[in-house]
Amino acid sequence: EAGVVQSPRYKIIEKKQPVAFWCNPISGHNTLYWYLQNLGQGPELLIRYENEEAVDDSQLPKDRFSAERLKGVDSTLKIQPAELGDSAVYLCASSPGQGDEQFFGPGTRLTVL
Amino acid sequence: KQEVTQIPAALSVPEGENLVLNCSFTDSAIYNLQWFRQDPGKGLTSLLLIQSSQREQTSGRLNASLDKSSGRSTLYIAASQPGDSATYLCAVFTGGGNKLTFGTGTQLKVEL
Repeated sequence: EAGVVQSPRYKIIEKKQPVAFWCNPISGHNTLYWYLQNLGQGPELLIRYENEEAVDDSQLPKDRFSAERLKGVDSTLKIQPAELGDSAVYLCASSPGQGDEQFFGPGTRLTVL
Repeated sequence: KQEVTQIPAALSVPEGENLVLNCSFTDSAIYNLQWFRQDPGKGLTSLLLIQSSQREQTSGRLNASLDKSSGRSTLYIAASQPGDSATYLCAVFTGGGNKLTFGTGTQLKVEL
């Protein structure tokens, strides 16, 4: 069974540029999460989807971040414009439902110059 | 607000040693608890999930226990191997399973 797939694995951009990350969850998993992980820290939730509905986006900086999960499967997280402080690893995870075991993708390491 | 603490932050042990990693949380009204390992530059790998009604879970050389009343969980690793070297993270589900709060991790190094 394929795990959570993320792309790209690495991204280097200059500040004020846009960037997008893509996630394909495990087949059949209704719940999808985007996390941000800074060096030496645990992941912090940005947004959680139940199918195609964003049910918790309270930690998403909505002035520059946006996300979508069309058809309740793949998801895209976008930053526009990127700032130096956005440099981090962006992790996608999925689970069968809320509160179930979460499975993580390899992450996208973003560097903003 | 749920806070999760992991002690120690770093640990170095010789191969073959049994070891215990600690995780404590401030709000005992948890839904369940999950342990992960993270290798450098990689994503998180799920190790064990303990439901709030359970006291422990075992997988191979790993055993995780949960004591909700005291707000603690431990991850026991038996007969440690160099391949166990990684950062170990615990995460607590609260809010009926809606929110997962992570600790900052314990960086483990198992030396030959």
